[in-house]
Amino acid sequence: DAGVIQSPRHEVTEMGQEVTLRCKPISGHNSLFWYRQTMMRGLELLIYFNNNVPIDDSGMPEDRFSAKMPNASFSTLKIQPSEPRDSAVYFCASSFVRGTYEQYFGPGTRLTVT
Amino acid sequence: AQKVTQAQTEISVVEKEDVTLDCVYETRDTTYYLFWYKQPPSGELVFLIRRNSFDEQNEISGRYSWNFQKSTSSFNFTITASQVVDSAVYFCALIPRGQNFVFGPGTRLSVLP
Repeated sequence: DAGVIQSPRHEVTEMGQEVTLRCKPISGHNSLFWYRQTMMRGLELLIYFNNNVPIDDSGMPEDRFSAKMPNASFSTLKIQPSEPRDSAVYFCASSFVRGTYEQYFGPGTRLTVT
Repeated sequence: AQKVTQAQTEISVVEKEDVTLDCVYETRDTTYYLFWYKQPPSGELVFLIRRNSFDEQNEISGRYSWNFQKSTSSFNFTITASQVVDSAVYFCALIPRGQNFVFGPGTRLSVLP
């Protein structure tokens, strides 16, 4: 079985540019999560979707961040414009039932904004 | 308030030693779930185990074992006969029922040859 797929694995961009991160959850999972991991703040939940609907985006740091889930098999996290402090590893995770079952994480996208 | 504490920031052991990673959690919910994840140097987060609050049985999986004690709000993880491949950051996490993950800060384990 394929796990959670994320692309790209690495992204280097200049400040001010738009960045789009992509995620394909595990088939059959109905909850999808976007996390950010930094040394200073650890793992932070940015937003999660249930049945493709955004439920809680209170973790999204600023209006520069947006996320969509147009269908059950695809989600994007966009940063526009990007800033150096956005540099982090961004993880996508999916689970069968939010709040009960384990989440399976993708390999992450390491974003560097210069 | 929901919180997970992993007091050990870093641990170093020599291969074949046993090592225990501590996890203490706080929640007012009576139904909750506890997890351990491993993050090796390659960066991915690997699910290891899930326990629910009503099941205090200890679990053993190969060299891994978990000790869940509600009386002390602890969910400790022991690796027996550690190996270099066990070197990773280990996260303990809590899900109060119907809510989102609360992750601990992680414990970095280094197993030296």
